[in-house]
Amino acid sequence: TQLLEQSPQFLSIQEGENLTVYCNSSSVFSSLQWYRQEPGEGPVLLVTVVTGGEVKKLKRLTFQFGDARKDSSLHITAAQPGDTGLYLCAAFGGTASKLTFGTGTRLQVTL
Amino acid sequence: DAMVIQNPRYQVTQFGKPVTLSCSQTLNHNVMYWYQQKSSQAPKLLFHYYDKDFNNEADTPDNFQSRRPNTSFCFLDIRSPGLGDAAMYLCATSRDRNRPQHFGDGTRLSIL
Repeated sequence: TQLLEQSPQFLSIQEGENLTVYCNSSSVFSSLQWYRQEPGEGPVLLVTVVTGGEVKKLKRLTFQFGDARKDSSLHITAAQPGDTGLYLCAAFGGTASKLTFGTGTRLQVTL
Repeated sequence: DAMVIQNPRYQVTQFGKPVTLSCSQTLNHNVMYWYQQKSSQAPKLLFHYYDKDFNNEADTPDNFQSRRPNTSFCFLDIRSPGLGDAAMYLCATSRDRNRPQHFGDGTRLSIL
């Protein structure tokens, strides 16, 4: 079983602060995805990273895929209350068609 | 416009009373998935359909079954819900296996 560990598990910060969420595994992945899930809604895909070392930016969010394709990070600059939610990394294995989700990071951004 | 639609958004049923949750998609995707998500946890895959081919996860209880009568619709049947089955149930679709998944907003199931 491929395990994706996310840290931190919970994060409560004030508006304007920066933060980084980590997603780590001992397995190598062909690609990795980040989702955000707001309360009462389904996960929404933010980004897919494919190449080792790849960096993708989505407005104030910066995603990086580790060189060895075993880990990833999500950095949010100047967090806003609208960033509040559950952040999930997820990945397919080498030959598996099952999407494995990370353990999740619950972010709360307050005014 | 919603592309993966789940009905109802909230469902209350009694212990042991069968319940069916529905999912429809306008994306014409080949694959449809059902996940169970409990509070503050990651979604857990129950099963998926690749077209008409049903794929059950090894640890999915026999109490959970699914039907996909056509490309657009997929149903989750819980034959005898127990208190431990109270959760959010998420439907997702993807164009093909190993492709990004599009989720519905889920059905929150409560068991009395």
